Amino acid sequence: GAVVSQHPSWVICKSGTSVKIECRSLDFQATTMFWYRQFPKQSLMLMATSNEGSKATYEQGVEKDKFLINHASLTLSTLTVTSAHPEDSSFYICSARGEGAEAFFGQGTRLTVV
Amino acid sequence: GENVEQHPSTLSVQEGDSAVIKCTYSDSASNYFPWYKQELGKGPQLIIDIRSNVGEKKDQRIAVTLNKTAKHFSLHITETQPEDSAVYFCAANRDDKIIFGKGTRLHILP
Repeated sequence: GAVVSQHPSWVICKSGTSVKIECRSLDFQATTMFWYRQFPKQSLMLMATSNEGSKATYEQGVEKDKFLINHASLTLSTLTVTSAHPEDSSFYICSARGEGAEAFFGQGTRLTVV
Repeated sequence: GENVEQHPSTLSVQEGDSAVIKCTYSDSASNYFPWYKQELGKGPQLIIDIRSNVGEKKDQRIAVTLNKTAKHFSLHITETQPEDSAVYFCAANRDDKIIFGKGTRLHILP
């Protein structure tokens, strides 16, 4: 399958600071990228969907000013958690889709806010 | 919007036996149904998928069936092995969104 690389794999930040997570499709052009959040022993919750060059579409209840998504190229999307708080601590996962229906996932980023 | 229900939440099977995980979906317009395997601390890995114009698909020890009328689909793993132990998620896709079920934690017993 196609390769999606997510960086960093884990990050610890102080409360009130911002952290950026990168998602790259390494061997295909991702017309659509998705960002998910996963709490321990729970399912993946879709946060937002982004298409290259356009604004992201956020799911209900997800604050677009807190979770900034940029999809500036066909191989890169970024999620920035602004003014992070301990309750933002979670496992964040991106996925990317090219021309087909298949979506491939990154390895996830574990964010801990202290 | 789409709602995906997945059962069971936990499944233990003896090594070598078969495992079956079942999902239902609510939106009849959904047209693509992937299954993912997630190991601890990692992202989900696509293991098999099926489209709405197909009733069954098989890939070695893994098979998926789809009943569009009843809006349910199932994952079948035969001859289970220790490395099959993981969390499995079904999902349904409509337009641009992939919605996940709550997951099944599969334990393969020695």
